[in-house]
Amino acid sequence: ETGVTQTPRHLVMGMTNKKSLKCEQHLGHNAMYWYKQSAKKPLELMFVYNFKEQTENNSVPSRFSPECPNSSHLFLHLHTLQPEDSALYLCASSQQEGTGSYEQYFGPGTRLTVT
Amino acid sequence: GQNIDQPTEMTATEGAIVQINCTYQTSGFNGLFWYQQHAGEAPTFLSYNVLDGLEEKGRFSSFLSRSKGYSYLLLKELQMKDSASYLCAALDSNYQLIWGAGTKLIIKP
Repeated sequence: ETGVTQTPRHLVMGMTNKKSLKCEQHLGHNAMYWYKQSAKKPLELMFVYNFKEQTENNSVPSRFSPECPNSSHLFLHLHTLQPEDSALYLCASSQQEGTGSYEQYFGPGTRLTVT
Repeated sequence: GQNIDQPTEMTATEGAIVQINCTYQTSGFNGLFWYQQHAGEAPTFLSYNVLDGLEEKGRFSSFLSRSKGYSYLLLKELQMKDSASYLCAALDSNYQLIWGAGTKLIIKP
């Protein structure tokens, strides 16, 4: 248990569906991240939020839309996805300032399958 | 560009020692992380090196050479539960993690 929770753990959706992934951190961190993990590939950073403000958007297609209503919650809204978007989506959090520690704590991930 | 290289897969025997190497090229450098990820689970933090040298933490040690852009993770007295993927990640000048693809470690009895 890392203090970062994600729901749902598994999701199967069609290409025309709309769904949302949810992440919550109970660590008091001020930065949250969305990553995509595909088999045998490095973790791909998708979005970064620092103090609720989006600071990174690494050329992610617009069919992925993040939302960070407060520093503890992070959402990833999905619509009109493609089969190649099937992957494990990981949420992470860290304390970016003040501690000198940049360790990221990960949630268990959402295994997404697009049919 | 930014790049992290580590072997795709390694095999070792229970009770033995294994060293997993990682080389990195990043825009600026603020430290090197190692994470462990069991199949179907979240990556969990193992170590962080920012200065040259060896950091020991129980059965696991991590080494860094900044001048060579090189790190390794050393696992001693291997146990079956050490079977996992080991991810190397470098913190760049923007304090973002650049990740390797991970090394899958298989432990045999």
